[in-house]
Amino acid sequence: EVQLLESGGGLVQPGGSLRLSCAVSGFIFGNHAMTWVRQAPGKGLEWVSSISGSETSRYYAASVKGRFTISRDNSRNTLILQMNSLRAEDTAVYFCAKDRYSSGSGSDFWGQGTLVTVSS
Amino acid sequence: SYVLTQPPSVSVAPGQTARITCGGHKIGTKNVHWYQQRPGQAPVLVLYDDSDRPSGVPERFSGSNSGNTATLTINRVEPGDEADYYCQVWDSSGSDFVIFGGGAKLTVL
Repeated sequence: EVQLLESGGGLVQPGGSLRLSCAVSGFIFGNHAMTWVRQAPGKGLEWVSSISGSETSRYYAASVKGRFTISRDNSRNTLILQMNSLRAEDTAVYFCAKDRYSSGSGSDFWGQGTLVTVSS
Repeated sequence: SYVLTQPPSVSVAPGQTARITCGGHKIGTKNVHWYQQRPGQAPVLVLYDDSDRPSGVPERFSGSNSGNTATLTINRVEPGDEADYYCQVWDSSGSDFVIFGGGAKLTVL
């Protein structure tokens, strides 16, 4: 059974940092691209970042480029999102998702999300 | 950046057919994926590559994509289909590579 479990969300002040993790099981992690998607309260889905299975390709939304860093540890089956210089508009539920194979191929399994609140 | 346009809401009676559109420039040349999101839950992939269904998705869900419009069709709509539906594409021409539509709320009357 495929499982994805996000952690690391919480309340952080503007300008602060947070590190999200996504622990996965039930599939060969290194064979799949992975994606982070966020959803602000009452809003739609917004893509944040994607990474290839071998970590050779990383993609970022313009809204987070230069502030967020996506990475993965294929030996620990873990996806990471390091978020720096956080802003109020980064407040959202952050979902990690498994891509069917490469980035852009569609995300067939999702975690339940972790809430990030940026506020003073 | 590439833009996907969805109607904010679609309403349909139980047993009828719902069609949710996703408009984008030459979207017919792209692979479109569709997600269902019920309130308080994570999104679920219901179609990929325009019209393919993941395992477990009912055959009532189908899709098409041509020209500037992709369409998710749900036949014999059930109350449990009430949810937000998002289309998604990959576009490497702009600043964002993965694009979501704004979402369409399907209401089952």
